[in-house]
Amino acid sequence: DTGVSQDPRHKITKRGQNVTFRCDPISEHNRLYWYRQTLGQGPEFLTYFQNEAQLEKSRLLSDRFSAERPKGSFSTLEIQRTEQGDSAMYLCASSLEWDVEQYFGPGTRLTVT
Amino acid sequence: AQSVTQPDIHITVSEGASLELRCNYSYGATPYLFWYVQSPGQGLQLLLKYFSGDTLVQGIKGFEAEFKRSQSSFNLRKPSVHWSDAAEYFCAVGALNSGYSTLTFGKGTMLLVSP
Repeated sequence: DTGVSQDPRHKITKRGQNVTFRCDPISEHNRLYWYRQTLGQGPEFLTYFQNEAQLEKSRLLSDRFSAERPKGSFSTLEIQRTEQGDSAMYLCASSLEWDVEQYFGPGTRLTVT
Repeated sequence: AQSVTQPDIHITVSEGASLELRCNYSYGATPYLFWYVQSPGQGLQLLLKYFSGDTLVQGIKGFEAEFKRSQSSFNLRKPSVHWSDAAEYFCAVGALNSGYSTLTFGKGTMLLVSP
C-alpha cells in the first residue's frame, strides 16, 4: 500500500449541484479523518471515523455535508446543494488506532462557480 | 482546546541561506508536535514530529526542529535552503482526546526562495 488516495483530485461544479469525494486510506488504518482547507488557512477538522462508525463531527460540518465509511475501508464525503463558500481543498487522512500521527492524501480541490 | 500560532505569513530567504520558521502552541499537557510541508495543489507531507525524548528532532530533507517547553515553541530550521524548499509549511499540535487523535494546525508560513 503506497498511501492515502483521493478521487477526484479536482472538481468544478455549479452552485446548487451535489458532489461526492472518495478517500481510500492506508489499508491497515482503522481511523479515517476528513479536513477542509480554505485559501490561506491550515486544514480544519471536519469529521472522524473509527472503522465504519462516525464518532466525531465538527461544527463546520453543516447539514449539507454527509460522510460515510460503509465497510470500514474507503470513505465518501458528499456535499449537497453546493455553495461558493464550499470551495476548498478537502483532505483525507488515516491513522492506526491510538496513534496521533496521521497520514494525508493529496486532497480534492473543489471549485464552486 | 489546543491552538497553534505561526506568526509569519510569508518569509523570503535567499538560496543557500539558513531558515527558521516559528511556531508557538497552546496545550495543557505534553503536546505531540508536527511540521508538514505542502506544495501548491498538493496534500501534506510530514517533515518531522516530536512526541517525547530528545527535544531536537531531525526530519526529512535536512530539516530539524527544537521543542522548547518553557517558550511553548517548536521552531523549524534548515541550515541551507534550496530552491525546491519553496512551499507552505504548517505546524500542528496533536492530542489524544477521548480515545481519538486531533490535529490542530496553524495558518501556515509561505516560504519563498530567492536566487
